[in-house]
Formats: sequence, C-alpha cells, structure tokens
Amino acid sequence: RKEVEQDPGPFNVPEGATVAFNCTYSNSASQSFFWYRQDCRKEPKLLMSVYSSGNEDGRFTAQLNRASQYISLLIRDSKLSDSATYLCVVSSGRRALTFGSGTRLQVQP
Amino acid sequence: DAGVTQSPTHLIKTRGQQVTLRCSPKSGHDTVSWYQQALGQGPQFIFQYYEEEERQRGNFPDRFSGHQFPNYSSELNVNALLLGDSALYLCASSLEGIEYFGPGTRLTVT
Repeated sequence: RKEVEQDPGPFNVPEGATVAFNCTYSNSASQSFFWYRQDCRKEPKLLMSVYSSGNEDGRFTAQLNRASQYISLLIRDSKLSDSATYLCVVSSGRRALTFGSGTRLQVQP
Repeated sequence: DAGVTQSPTHLIKTRGQQVTLRCSPKSGHDTVSWYQQALGQGPQFIFQYYEEEERQRGNFPDRFSGHQFPNYSSELNVNALLLGDSALYLCASSLEGIEYFGPGTRLTVT
C-alpha cells in the first residue's frame, strides 16, 4: 500500500464548478500536511498547508481528518488557470516530504 | 531574492555513465533535499542534507550519492546509470519545514 494515495483523475470540470479532491495517508505519525500544485513539466509549488482546524485561502479550502487519516482540497469557482496536477503531501516532523501520485484537474471553458 | 536554482536543465546520458546534478538553495535556507519524479508519478525522496551531512535517506541504492557544501549548495551524483534512472530530478530547499522546489533537471538515459 502506498503511503499517500490519491485518485489520479483526470477530473474534467467546467469553469465555475466546485471540485473536491481527497487523499488518504497511512502513517499515523504524520504531523504536517500540504497541497502542492504542479503544472505540466514544471516543479511542484506549495498551494497551501493543511491544519487540523481546516483552513481557507481564497477559493481553496483544505481539511484534515486525523482520525480517518484523510486530507481534502476543495476548489470553488474553478478557473481555466486551475488546470494542473494537485499533489497531496505529508511529513512526519522534520522528515522529508512524502508525495501522492497526484490528481489531475482539467477545467474546461 | 533568487529561488532554488538547478543545473543543467536537461541532460542525456548513456547507460553505465555517471552524472552530477547541481542545486543552489534559496537564500537563507540551510537544508537541501533531492527527489526523483518519474513520468506520471509524484516526487520520490532520495536524500536530505543539513550542515553538510546526509540527514535522511529514502529507498534509493548506493549508486545515488550526494554532497552539501559550506554555502549550502548541493550535488547529486548517480553512478552506473540505468534506463530506469530517466526522470525529472528536483531539488528542494527548506527552512523550518516548508520546502521550495527548483525547476528540476530532466535526465534521459539511453
């Protein structure tokens, strides 16, 4: 079983739609959680950290459920520019990051 | 403020050869990590350097080695290249846990 599992997609949604991605992780000692965004043939870029209380950044909302060991990302009012691969990432303390394989989102006009 | 830089951007090597990739971290960052990203996969952790020492290592063979210099820059060396080593190699620098990635080096082994 992979340490971090994501639905690879692709998720094809129209502009303006709301879309949600989930991710599960197997290491219960994980302490830090992130969503990274990766455009085609580019490096991953930090989208947002995920906190236990949930957090929001504009159109993006991240949630963490420690009991069920899953993380979610909600994107509201999707834009064409949101088309990318979204990587779920976990870390245990100061240990290196463990990435999921990514979920591909394609927003269509 | 320059971000993480890597060189070269692209590289083509033959099976059995050796390669060295280079990384300069963001200003003020003291920790450098290396990742391998195969097509369609998420980045896989290779190793991490802090204070010129390898602090953590992922599940990669000894053919993969590295170094960190006093100015925090780093090198990744891969010996006896295999076709399966073809990938995007990403360097990330961090300070207090948040990692920032460089643009990567795309290595093709033929």
